[in-house]
Amino acid sequence: SQTIHQWPATLVQPVGSPLSLECTVEGTSNPNLYWYRQAAGRGLQLLFYSIGIDQISSEVPQNLSASRPQDRQFILSSKKLLLSDSGFYLCALTGGYNTEAFFGQGTRLTVV
Amino acid sequence: AQSVTQLGSHVSVSEGALVLLRCNYSSSVPPYLFWYVQYPNQGLQLLLKYTSAATLVKGINGFEAEFKKSETSFHLTKPSAHMSDAAEYFCAVSSSGSARQLTFGSGTQLTVLP
Repeated sequence: SQTIHQWPATLVQPVGSPLSLECTVEGTSNPNLYWYRQAAGRGLQLLFYSIGIDQISSEVPQNLSASRPQDRQFILSSKKLLLSDSGFYLCALTGGYNTEAFFGQGTRLTVV
Repeated sequence: AQSVTQLGSHVSVSEGALVLLRCNYSSSVPPYLFWYVQYPNQGLQLLLKYTSAATLVKGINGFEAEFKKSETSFHLTKPSAHMSDAAEYFCAVSSSGSARQLTFGSGTQLTVLP
């Protein structure tokens, strides 16, 4: 079965510091991978999606970037965090014969 | 283009009462439709999905949803609410052939009152 690992679960970072959130998947090959963000009291915002290695599409211009160095690895990064980057970040995948998305457990990022 | 509208960002019901969470969608092609549940500080878990088979879909935890093409709706129901149902619920629509498959609604926070 498909599994998504996200770490860390929680993170507190100062404004202006860099960020690296990692997502790795198991139990599937060639998945489509996604990064979503939930700000407090708001819905899911799609940030990036990837259909393959080094193939990244950005949905929203912002302070963040994403990379996919391996088929099952998806990384969300920032060079300098802003207060507005605080939120709950979720990695998800679609692929195989399933039509639905599978989600990781998320990373709670607080920028202070 | 596809979109999802969830009516009511907050819904409160008494324990044992009917749960009804509303979802309307728009899609230029026959859609796949989903309901997800999210508990605090956790990822989203699939409750149920519609993929063009039976229009009444049964999911986990006693939830079900009915696809009504004429109304472009996919409302989520449960006959009797339980305290453990308190969570946030997201409706989503998907069309095939696109890497960006899922479009989510803004979510409905369900509160269950004792």
